[in-house]
Amino acid sequence: QSVLTQPPSVSAAPGQSVTISCSGTISNIGNNYVSWYRQFPGAAPQLLIYDDNKRPSGIPDRFSGSRAGTSATLGIAGIQTGDEADYYCGAWDNGLSAGLFGTGTKLTVL
Amino acid sequence: QVHLQESGPGLVKPSETLSLTCAVSGYSITSGYYWGWIRQAPGKGLIYIGSMYRSGGAYYNPSLRSRVTIALDPTSNQVSLKLNYVTAADAAVYYCARHYGTREPFDYWGPGSLVTVSS
Repeated sequence: QSVLTQPPSVSAAPGQSVTISCSGTISNIGNNYVSWYRQFPGAAPQLLIYDDNKRPSGIPDRFSGSRAGTSATLGIAGIQTGDEADYYCGAWDNGLSAGLFGTGTKLTVL
Repeated sequence: QVHLQESGPGLVKPSETLSLTCAVSGYSITSGYYWGWIRQAPGKGLIYIGSMYRSGGAYYNPSLRSRVTIALDPTSNQVSLKLNYVTAADAAVYYCARHYGTREPFDYWGPGSLVTVSS
């Protein structure tokens, strides 16, 4: 089962910034856009970033994304207690002809 | 506003077929977009199951392809998922979601449907 690799957890105090990495291969992140999803406990994932760095309507500009080579990064600035959630990256894999998600990162606000 | 709602039996016996339906409102499934399924085992990450387009074109996770069927029903505007020969490893929350193209993000998700596998 191919997956995109993320750190299991990150933490930050309110007001600080944090980044979450997502590592893949040339078959997925290396040649396709990356999206990011936020998931609160007991809820469905919500699209946070698409096309590497675009934000859907309603998502504040505290959230940013970037992609370089076979890795992508989600940035969250001005951390708030309400940001505590699980974050997943996603990308299409050309070799599998299927979607892939990251292993997920739990953000803890200290 | 697009709304997706999964439904189906919450309990399936081992070796039997898991069947779920996703009712879509606010958008016709024949107007475009891929309609897909993603699952999440308790405490685990998201796993892509597959997607289908109105033309019948479909993509499936290679690890599940032999057991999965996704279908679109235009008359009821619903998307269905069938997973054959389930085991305990198939117990999960199953989400239906929409994406514009194979390389596009999932922009609308249903709340999910919990499926337990047990005799």
